Amino acid sequence: AQTVTQSQPEMSVQEAETVTLSCTYDTSESDYYLFWYKQPPSRQMILVIRQEAYKQQNATENRFSVNFQKAAKSFSLKISDSQLGDAAMYFCAYRSGIYSGGGADGLTFGKGTHLIIQP
Amino acid sequence: DGGITQSPKYLFRKEGQNVTLSCEQNLNHDAMYWYRQDPGQGLRLIYYSQIVNDFQKGDIAEGYSVSREKKESFPLTVTSAQKNPTAFYLCASSIAEGITDTQYFGPGTRLTVL
Repeated sequence: AQTVTQSQPEMSVQEAETVTLSCTYDTSESDYYLFWYKQPPSRQMILVIRQEAYKQQNATENRFSVNFQKAAKSFSLKISDSQLGDAAMYFCAYRSGIYSGGGADGLTFGKGTHLIIQP
Repeated sequence: DGGITQSPKYLFRKEGQNVTLSCEQNLNHDAMYWYRQDPGQGLRLIYYSQIVNDFQKGDIAEGYSVSREKKESFPLTVTSAQKNPTAFYLCASSIAEGITDTQYFGPGTRLTVL
């Protein structure tokens, strides 16, 4: 079974600074997808960024970018120019690229990192 | 507006009662999912469905049941067999298995057992 580990329960950053959230995963598969979701106090899960394992290029979405190291099974999220609205729980998630049919084909989540933005 | 709706937002249940959580989507997505979130934890998969009249157990299906009679709807029943049902429940959907796997989430239902 795949596992996702977020080793930083909480991170704090000054507004306008850059912060990096860590995520590692364990899998024997070569085809998979990785995601970062944001969960603000409203508790709605919002997709931040997505990475396909077969793509070598790191995904970017405006101020959000990832550092995807497939061999190291690492998938960190960098937030540039942090804003107060970025304060939230951030979850790293894994999704197999293989349809198993009878198994759990949903997302496997880490336990999350609570990001605090200091004004 | 397209999206995923969950109702109710808050739900209280007495021990021994079954309760059903609603999830509806108008995104024309084929796949739908139910997750459970406990304090300090990530989400865990309860059930998922890739097509009408078909669904699969996830990692923590015991004490839960689902149905998928319509593409738009995927209700979750928390039965009295679920030993610790107090949690936050999230429904999600995605376009189709194997084409794109981005899951979009509803706003969630907070279930409290009294």
